[in-house]
Amino acid sequence: ETGVTQTPRHLVMGMTNKKSLKCEQHLGHNAMYWYKQSAKKPLELMFVYNFKEQTENNSVPSRFSPECPNSSHLFLHLHTLQPEDSALYLCASSQGGPGTSGANVLTFGAGSRLTVL
Amino acid sequence: EDKVVQSPLSLVVHEGDTVTLNCSYEVTNFRSLLWYKQEKKAPTFLFMLTSSGIEKKSGRLSSILDKKELSSILNITATQTGDSAIYLCAVDREETSGSRLTFGEGTQLTVNP
Repeated sequence: ETGVTQTPRHLVMGMTNKKSLKCEQHLGHNAMYWYKQSAKKPLELMFVYNFKEQTENNSVPSRFSPECPNSSHLFLHLHTLQPEDSALYLCASSQGGPGTSGANVLTFGAGSRLTVL
Repeated sequence: EDKVVQSPLSLVVHEGDTVTLNCSYEVTNFRSLLWYKQEKKAPTFLFMLTSSGIEKKSGRLSSILDKKELSSILNITATQTGDSAIYLCAVDREETSGSRLTFGEGTQLTVNP
């Protein structure tokens, strides 16, 4: 248990479904992130939230919609996904606000394995 | 565009061997380089390197950064089967809002008994 909890751990959905991934951190961190990990590819940063405000949207398609109601919770809403969106989605958090050195050590959750049929 | 390249991509060794994993990078406004170990799902933090030539050690693992060569190595001595994992290298650049890590593809290390 890393202090970052992701649910569900596995999700299978059709292209017309709507589902959500949830992430919760118990570390008192101020920043939260969504990463996508596909086979044989580097982790791709999707979204960054700092103090609940979205600070980065890394050219992610609109079928992925993040939500950060508070600094401990992060959601990724999914709708009309494509089979190529099948991947491991990792949530992470980090300590510190803008410009602090503690911001670069991420604590990851165990991920949600998504399969789109 | 920031870039991180790791080599080798895959490595199979026997228990007791020593391995060296490589990471090279191109990044604007470099702040630090980080190593993570990913055994099953969640990558776990190993080292953060900010200064050239200063070795960081943790048990059988050690790492060093060479800012002149824009690279880092991760050494594992006397490998054990529990070292089998994907080792991820990431570089962070100066940002005003949180972290901006760029990851490499990772090195898949398999340690056979």
